[in-house]
Amino acid sequence: DAGVTQSPTHLIKTRGQQVTLRCSPKSGHDTVSWYQQALGQGPQFIFQYYEEEERQRGNFPDRFSGHQFPNYSSELNVNALLLGDSALYLCASSPRGQNTGELFFGEGSRLTVL
Amino acid sequence: QKEVEQNSGPLSVPEGAIASLNCTYSDRGSQSFFWYRQYSGKSPELIMFIYSNGDKEDGRFTAQLNKASQYVSLLIRDSQPSDSATYLCAARLSGGYNKLIFGAGTRLAVHP
Repeated sequence: DAGVTQSPTHLIKTRGQQVTLRCSPKSGHDTVSWYQQALGQGPQFIFQYYEEEERQRGNFPDRFSGHQFPNYSSELNVNALLLGDSALYLCASSPRGQNTGELFFGEGSRLTVL
Repeated sequence: QKEVEQNSGPLSVPEGAIASLNCTYSDRGSQSFFWYRQYSGKSPELIMFIYSNGDKEDGRFTAQLNKASQYVSLLIRDSQPSDSATYLCAARLSGGYNKLIFGAGTRLAVHP
């Protein structure tokens, strides 16, 4: 049973560029959340997708956008990259109907903006 | 701003000792609380969660919750060098949807 998978694992971009990160949730999971973790900080909630719609959003600018596909996989897009966007981007999934709040994290995509 | 606060550490304990990690939260409506372990360069791994006042034990780990004091703790008994990692405390906010607010983490170092 594959867990949460993310791609790419590492990438380097320059300021002003755009990036797309991808996530496949754990089998049986239908909700995908994205978090940003800067060095030395805890993960910060970006947004959550359920039934192909953004259900909740954290305090991130509109440069951060996402999408969820019918197979529950998801993408995170960041436009006009800034140096401060350098971080580990974590995707987390949770199963249908689960009410405990438990999240299962992927290994993350480490983005470096130069 | 709803927050979760943790001491950044490092917390240094000898092998075999009890490590005590603490966390406070500001949202009184928070429903459940999570402890994740994160090794350097890796993603967070769930250790355990708690939603009722009192203690919850799982092997060498015990989570404690005091909602009146808005305080959560994690005890690690018989600490091992492999327990050396950053421990993240997270709260699930009122309003549901599995949105977790994380603390900045406490770095634990277990020395032989």
